[in-house]
Amino acid sequence: KAGVTQTPRYLIKTRGQQVTLSCSPISGHRSVSWYQQTPGQGLQFLFEYFSETQRNKGNFPGRFSGRQFSNSRSEMNVSTLELGDSALYLCASSLARINTGELFFGEGSRLTVL
Amino acid sequence: KNEVEQSPQNLTAQEGEFITINCSYSVGISALHWLQQHPGGGIVSLFMLSSGKKKHGRLIATINIQEKHSSLHITASHPRDSAVYICAVRLGASNTGNQFYFGTGTSLTVIP
Repeated sequence: KAGVTQTPRYLIKTRGQQVTLSCSPISGHRSVSWYQQTPGQGLQFLFEYFSETQRNKGNFPGRFSGRQFSNSRSEMNVSTLELGDSALYLCASSLARINTGELFFGEGSRLTVL
Repeated sequence: KNEVEQSPQNLTAQEGEFITINCSYSVGISALHWLQQHPGGGIVSLFMLSSGKKKHGRLIATINIQEKHSSLHITASHPRDSAVYICAVRLGASNTGNQFYFGTGTSLTVIP
């Protein structure tokens, strides 16, 4: 069974640009959640999608957005990049059934903003 | 204010030692996760707990809901256990999705 796949694994952007990251969940998983990890702030929850609908959102500005497609694949977008957006972006998938929700993480996309 | 506190932040142990990592939280939760992150970034979910105790190989995780506290124990530690261990709590009712708060992690080094 294939795991969670994130692309691209590494990318470099400059301030002001925008970036789109992709996450393909484990087959059959309908929940995809996104996280930002930085040395200063650690892991922080960005948002979660289930059945193409955003269910929860963390405390991030509107420059961070996402969507989920009918095949459960998800993308997140960061517009007008700032230096502080340099981070490892992780996604996780789960079945999202009540009282289950074990998370399966991808390897992450490491974004560097210059 | 950090909703999830982990201790210790750093831990060095000799191979074979018994290790305990603690996690305290201040919010109502539906579940608590213990995560393991190796250098390079990949995260593996070790346990998901809503009550009691779980065991997987040399790893044991316990949670006390009343005291808002969880512990991760590693018996007979091995150098391959060297990693960052992160406690994560999922908030609220179980049907609100995967909104999480994370501890800052415990960096474990096991010396041969």
